Amino acid sequence: GAVVSQHPSWVICKSGTSVKIECRSLDFQATTMFWYRQFPKQSLMLMATSNEGSKATYEQGVEKDKFLINHASLTLSTLTVTSAHPEDSSFYICSATRTRAGNTIYFGEGSWLTVV
Amino acid sequence: DAKTTQPTSMDCAEGRAANLPCNHSTISGNEYVYWYRQIHSQGPQYIIHGLKNNETNEMASLIITEDRKSSTLILPHATLRDTAVYYCIVRMNYGGATNKLIFGTGTLLAVQP
Repeated sequence: GAVVSQHPSWVICKSGTSVKIECRSLDFQATTMFWYRQFPKQSLMLMATSNEGSKATYEQGVEKDKFLINHASLTLSTLTVTSAHPEDSSFYICSATRTRAGNTIYFGEGSWLTVV
Repeated sequence: DAKTTQPTSMDCAEGRAANLPCNHSTISGNEYVYWYRQIHSQGPQYIIHGLKNNETNEMASLIITEDRKSSTLILPHATLRDTAVYYCIVRMNYGGATNKLIFGTGTLLAVQP
């Protein structure tokens, strides 16, 4: 079964509003989680590293004020897309590491965001 | 940038073995080779990983060359459900920030009936 869960699986929002996506590690603690974005027919692009109890680390070119990341507990990281625009429509995916499984990285099911 | 190169696409007949190559000529001594696959509209799924020895699990086998500059993922009996994009990734295995994966373009494997 899934070891990393995302919610919601898909969401439609109006332009200018904010949307929150959750990423949970099931049955294990993850001090570090990662957020990716994927446009149609493209590969996954790393957006940021979510660190429990501290600020996220963003990849070059990713706006930290637009993509707010909060990692308040060892099993939950959230990505908030603020003031969403149609160009933010994408597939957002998170990942977490299960240390006891030899540092194997597991991915969530992904969240489809459509901004209209 | 991704540190691996893979063919863009491959075809395989159902029931036959699928051999997916990956070149990682700049791999360092403490980096592992990981394989993931992504079925359309889903998150990537872990398949297998290795350091220098060949590995096998219930999903696949991983053959790593002696110089570690390339590897091959083998799906022994491909089914239609194995149609996906397969990603070969190299990374260290120390935890923390080393757990971020940089994805290349991957190989689209199309299993034909």
